[in-house]
Amino acid sequence: KAGVTQTPRYLIKTRGQQVTLSCSPISGHRSVSWYQQTPGQGLQFLFEYFSETQRNKGNFPGRFSGRQFSNSRSEMNVSTLELGDSALYLCASSLASNGVNTEAFFGQGTRLTVV
Amino acid sequence: AQSVTQLDSQVPVFEEAPVELRCNYSSSVSVYLFWYVQYPNQGLQLLLKYLSGSTLVESINGFEAEFNKSQTSFHLRKPSVHISDTAEYFCAVVGSYQLTFGKGTKLSVIP
Repeated sequence: KAGVTQTPRYLIKTRGQQVTLSCSPISGHRSVSWYQQTPGQGLQFLFEYFSETQRNKGNFPGRFSGRQFSNSRSEMNVSTLELGDSALYLCASSLASNGVNTEAFFGQGTRLTVV
Repeated sequence: AQSVTQLDSQVPVFEEAPVELRCNYSSSVSVYLFWYVQYPNQGLQLLLKYLSGSTLVESINGFEAEFNKSQTSFHLRKPSVHISDTAEYFCAVVGSYQLTFGKGTKLSVIP
């Protein structure tokens, strides 16, 4: 059974550009969550989608957005990149139909570097 | 709202010695607790979880954690660590469609 797949693994972007990250969940999982991991702030929740609906959003500016497709694949977009957006972005999938992530499976992450 | 405090940012320990990684939580709803492990340049792997029932939960690689409601703790323990246990460990609590993580504890096993 394939795990959570995130593409690309590494990205280098310039300040002011935008970026799109992709996440393919485990087959049958309809919930996809995104997290930002930085040395200073640790792991912070970005948003969660279930059946194409955003059910929760973390405390991030509007430059961070996401969506989920009918096949449960998800993308997140960051516009007008800032140096502080450099981070490891992790995607997690779970069955979580009732909102309780009893087991979330994480991808290997996308390492974004903004220069 | 939920929060998690991991009291130690770094824990060095000699190989074959016991270790305890401390985690305290705060939650206003039903408590579901997790420990995740992260190896360098990798994502998070679930180590063990507490959902309900027995307060002592175990993983397949020798770690265990005990849910203590009165002390709001979920400390992770292993009686004898190996070099391969060197990693960063995160405690997490379930919230509304999200996990809230502690800041992590870096476990370094010294040969």
